[in-house]
Amino acid sequence: EVQLVQSGAEVKKPGESLKISCKGSGYSFTSYWIGWVRQMPGKGLEWMGIIYPGDSDTRYSPSFQGQVTISADKSISTAYLQWSSLKASDTAMYYCARRWGDGYTYYFDYWGQGTLVTVSS
Amino acid sequence: SYVLTQPPSVSVAPGQTARITCGGNNIGSKSVHWYQQKPGQAPVLVVYDDSDRPSGIPERFSGSNSGNTATLTISRVEAGDEADYYCQVWDSSSDLLWVFGGGTKLTVL
Repeated sequence: EVQLVQSGAEVKKPGESLKISCKGSGYSFTSYWIGWVRQMPGKGLEWMGIIYPGDSDTRYSPSFQGQVTISADKSISTAYLQWSSLKASDTAMYYCARRWGDGYTYYFDYWGQGTLVTVSS
Repeated sequence: SYVLTQPPSVSVAPGQTARITCGGNNIGSKSVHWYQQKPGQAPVLVVYDDSDRPSGIPERFSGSNSGNTATLTISRVEAGDEADYYCQVWDSSSDLLWVFGGGTKLTVL
């Protein structure tokens, strides 16, 4: 069974750093891209970026380029999303999801349960 | 970048048919995917490649795509279908590869 299990909720202060995780199991972790999606309170889904754990090739949405860093450790089947200096506007639910597709189109077939990040002074 | 437009809300009585639209410029030339998100839960893929269903998704969920509009159709709506629904396309022509619609809240009356 394919599973993506994310790390627990975080409460941070503005300016602090943070790294959240997404551990994959039940499939070949290095063979599928893992994406990150933000959902701000009461709002819709926004694609942030994506990584191929096999070689750590990474792509970012223009809105998030330079704002976050996506990485992966294939030895432990885990992808990460990190911030060096959090802002209150980073308060949101963050989802990881596995990419599936045929080269013509791609979508996310399995999703993690989400990690709630709250940034408040 | 490519823009997908959804109505904010759709309401339907139990047993009736709900249709949720997703508008985009010549969206019929792209493959559209749909996600269901119930309150407090992660999104779930309900339709991919315009009209295919993942295993475990009821046949009541179907999709179509033509011209400038894609449509998710939910037949014989049940109370448990009440959720937010998002359409999504993959846009290889821009840096914003995954484009989501703004979401539609389906209310079962």
